[in-house]
Amino acid sequence: GESVGLHLPTLSVQEGDNSIINCAYSNSASDYFIWYKQESGKGPQFIIDIRSNMDKRQGQRVTVLLNKTVKHLSLQIAATQPGDSAVYFCAENLKGSARQLTFGSGTQLTVLP
Amino acid sequence: DAMVIQNPRYQVTQFGKPVTLSCSQTLNHNVMYWYQQKSSQAPKLLFHYYDKDFNNEADTPDNFQSRRPNTSFCFLDIRSPGLGDAAMYLCATSRDPDPYEQYFGPGTRLTVT
Repeated sequence: GESVGLHLPTLSVQEGDNSIINCAYSNSASDYFIWYKQESGKGPQFIIDIRSNMDKRQGQRVTVLLNKTVKHLSLQIAATQPGDSAVYFCAENLKGSARQLTFGSGTQLTVLP
Repeated sequence: DAMVIQNPRYQVTQFGKPVTLSCSQTLNHNVMYWYQQKSSQAPKLLFHYYDKDFNNEADTPDNFQSRRPNTSFCFLDIRSPGLGDAAMYLCATSRDPDPYEQYFGPGTRLTVT
C-alpha cells in the first residue's frame, strides 16, 4: 500500500546548526501535509503545514518544502536548539479522505551540545 | 490552557480486565480521534467521530470500542486488554471541514499486567 516514509530514522546535529528532516510520500493524491513534533511522553505537537498548491512555507525557525515531482517533503529547522530534540513525524491527508491523516514512521532528532 | 485533556495519564490494568480511557476538549471541535502509538512507532488511527457519526478503521480490533456522549467528551473502551494492547493512546480533535490540522492530547500510557 501507499505510505508516508522517512529517509532517516535518526538525526544528530550540533546546537546552532540547521537541521533537515526528510519525508517521502508515494500517494500523488495527497493534498495536505503536516509536520508534528513529539517529545518523550507527550502527544504530537503541530509545527507547520503545507498544501499541495504550495512548494514552500515558512514559520518561526522552521521551513517546509514540498517537491511534488519527486513526492518529497522536508522540514528545515534553523539554529537548532536543545529543545528541538524530539521525534518528528510527517503526516499526509489524501484528497477526498477528509479528516484522516496518515503518519510516517518518524525521525528522532538529537541536538548535541 | 489545556485544549485536549486525557485522563488518566497513566493506567495500569490486568490482562482481560476492561478499561476505559477518557478524553475531553475545550475547542468545540466536531471531530475526535483515537490513536494507538506503540514505542518508536507512528500513531495508528483506531477510529474517529464526526459529530455523533462513528467511523471505524478496517483493521481496528473489535476489542476496541468508543463512545462520544457529547461534543466535549470521548471514551475509549478496551473490553479485554491483552499484553499487545500496552501502548500510548492519543486523543485528537479537528474542526471539519478544512483545515485538517489535528490537535493532540498528552496521551494515556496503558500498561497491561
